[in-house]
Amino acid sequence: SAVISQKPSRDICQRGTSLTIQCQVDSQVTMMFWYRQQPGQSLTLIATANQGSEATYESGFVIDKFPISRPNLTFSTLTVSNMSPEDSSIYLCSVENQGNTEAFFGQGTRLTVV
Amino acid sequence: AQSVTQLDSQVPVFEEAPVELRCNYSSSVSVYLFWYVQYPNQGLQLLLKYLSGSTLVKGINGFEAEFNKSQTSFHLRKPSVHISDTAEYFCAVSQGGATNKLIFGTGTLLAVQP
Repeated sequence: SAVISQKPSRDICQRGTSLTIQCQVDSQVTMMFWYRQQPGQSLTLIATANQGSEATYESGFVIDKFPISRPNLTFSTLTVSNMSPEDSSIYLCSVENQGNTEAFFGQGTRLTVV
Repeated sequence: AQSVTQLDSQVPVFEEAPVELRCNYSSSVSVYLFWYVQYPNQGLQLLLKYLSGSTLVKGINGFEAEFNKSQTSFHLRKPSVHISDTAEYFCAVSQGGATNKLIFGTGTLLAVQP
């Protein structure tokens, strides 16, 4: 199984600012993904982080708001830009195992925007 | 489009009683099915998964689920619950070959009472 570390684990930010969340995996993985879990709701896929190319965003999410980097096969960042209180959520990094049969999740970053 | 329905937002149950958490999905193609558990202030942990083969799937912590293609269901069961099973449970579906692009249900809070 993959061990995923996310930083920070939580943060309280002022509206209008940006926060970058880091995701580090203990092994090389092909697929890395970012999810959002809004308060009291389920998880929604934001984007697929592609190594060496631009991320692939799901409907309703755009690069200007959620820029993503994937410089290598073990690391990715998600930035939440120009934050508003509606961005208060848990953001989770996820990776797929070698056999493509299981997804592993980080502990999440709990973001509160005030 | 795929979707997942978890009809019960909350299931209260007494300790040592059996429990079933319901999950129905819709998809026009073959799918992989998953149950994840989220303990308070923690990330997601995979309970069990159905990829192919036997329709009765056994997972960790004494949980099992049965894939029923005709009813498009993947209900989660445990014969005797413990206080420590109190958590949020998420059913998820993906198209075969893309196990990490998951569509999640809205979750069911299993509240085990002494």
